Amino acid sequence: GAVVSQHPSRVICKSGTSVKIECRSLDFQATTMFWYRQFPKQSLMLMATSNEGSKATYEQGVEKDKFLINHASLTLSTLTVTSAHPEDSSFYICSASAFGVAGNQPQHFGDGTRLSIL
Amino acid sequence: EDQVTQSPEALRLQEGESSSLNCSYTVSGLRGLFWYRQDPGKGPEFLFTLYSAGEEKEKERLKATLTKKESFLHITAPKPEDSATYLCAVLGNQFYFGTGTSLTVIP
Repeated sequence: GAVVSQHPSRVICKSGTSVKIECRSLDFQATTMFWYRQFPKQSLMLMATSNEGSKATYEQGVEKDKFLINHASLTLSTLTVTSAHPEDSSFYICSASAFGVAGNQPQHFGDGTRLSIL
Repeated sequence: EDQVTQSPEALRLQEGESSSLNCSYTVSGLRGLFWYRQDPGKGPEFLFTLYSAGEEKEKERLKATLTKKESFLHITAPKPEDSATYLCAVLGNQFYFGTGTSLTVIP
């Protein structure tokens, strides 16, 4: 149980392109979804938290106009990196949790998206 | 201030050499403590949830325990395939993640 699917797993595109990453909870309703960025050999860096039907809450230093997050349903959240540049190249990971419902559920993670901007 | 600290940062073990990873925390109103395993290039894989002091969970060679200040992940007779980064997270009014322990098990 508690499967989170993230797609695509790898993206290579030209500078200036916008890239959309999808995160789906396959077998549970995710009241809250999280988006992380991870640099090599470093821990997870939380970018934003989104609750279904609400605007995402961004962490300090994360540009909300550059990293657009939509959480339109209890099973789907998307992250769009707008006008991506080489410095946006990174490993992006989503997670989903039903903790808002039960109050104590863990996050379940997708397998990440390796984004490379040329 | 709520925080989570994991130690050691890195650990090298011989195959079969048991050891423990530590997760110390300070959080107001602990709602849960979670252990994850992360392999390179993958998202963290959920291992255990612990909710109250004294609770223990086991899965194969792994055993997680919880006190009011810290959690331990005990690895008994590890194998090379146990090599990974192990992350600890606590849930208070929000989630707090540790920076992980990188475990290498040498054949």
